[in-house]
Amino acid sequence: DGGITQSPKYLFRKEGQNVTLSCEQNLNHDAMYWYRQDPGQGLRLIYYSQIVNDFQKGDIAEGYSVSREKKESFPLTVTSAQKNPTAFYLCASSFRDRGGAFFGQGTRLTVV
Amino acid sequence: AQKVTQAQTEISVVEKEDVTLDCVYETRDTTYYLFWYKQPPSGELVFLIRRNSFDEQNEISGRYSWNFQKSTSSFNFTITASQVVDSAVYFCALSEDAGGTSYGKLTFGQGTILTVHP
Repeated sequence: DGGITQSPKYLFRKEGQNVTLSCEQNLNHDAMYWYRQDPGQGLRLIYYSQIVNDFQKGDIAEGYSVSREKKESFPLTVTSAQKNPTAFYLCASSFRDRGGAFFGQGTRLTVV
Repeated sequence: AQKVTQAQTEISVVEKEDVTLDCVYETRDTTYYLFWYKQPPSGELVFLIRRNSFDEQNEISGRYSWNFQKSTSSFNFTITASQVVDSAVYFCALSEDAGGTSYGKLTFGQGTILTVHP
């Protein structure tokens, strides 16, 4: 089945540690995105990538890093520099020139 | 800068009632795209519809319908004969054209929590 897979579903991290969230898609989509959702709020764009080996900052990129070495994969690293990392993280993908963005099931990150 | 406003934070209805979710947007672009997504308790966002700024025709899909009016910058979503399974958070979103390469670079509203009671 085609889709977007995010792992893990729940993640706990100690303060001061980096953690990497996985996102894989087999939809042959060109573009991939990371969004952050806080309780009672809409989604905000962290980073996006329209082609392999290229990515751009979104509205809230500070404290995060990404890579796009393969078309199918777009991992997000939450670094220790991110002051409030506890949130729900959603990965999405889309064709560059049509359709809408399709989302994974999300990773809920909690800093303990 | 673009902005999406969903003024209704929460709506509660009884099953079989019709319900309309409001969405108002702001953008300087003449070419843009509007979306509605549903977020059930599981958390995944489910794509419902995309509309481009040149297509003001209303759309109906089963019990769902959408009313796009450029004159009022609104893109409202109506559920007819609501069901308990419609309970979810609904998001309206906007993307600018940017040469036709921004379908996933979305600005979201804050969402409307819809609760349908049996």
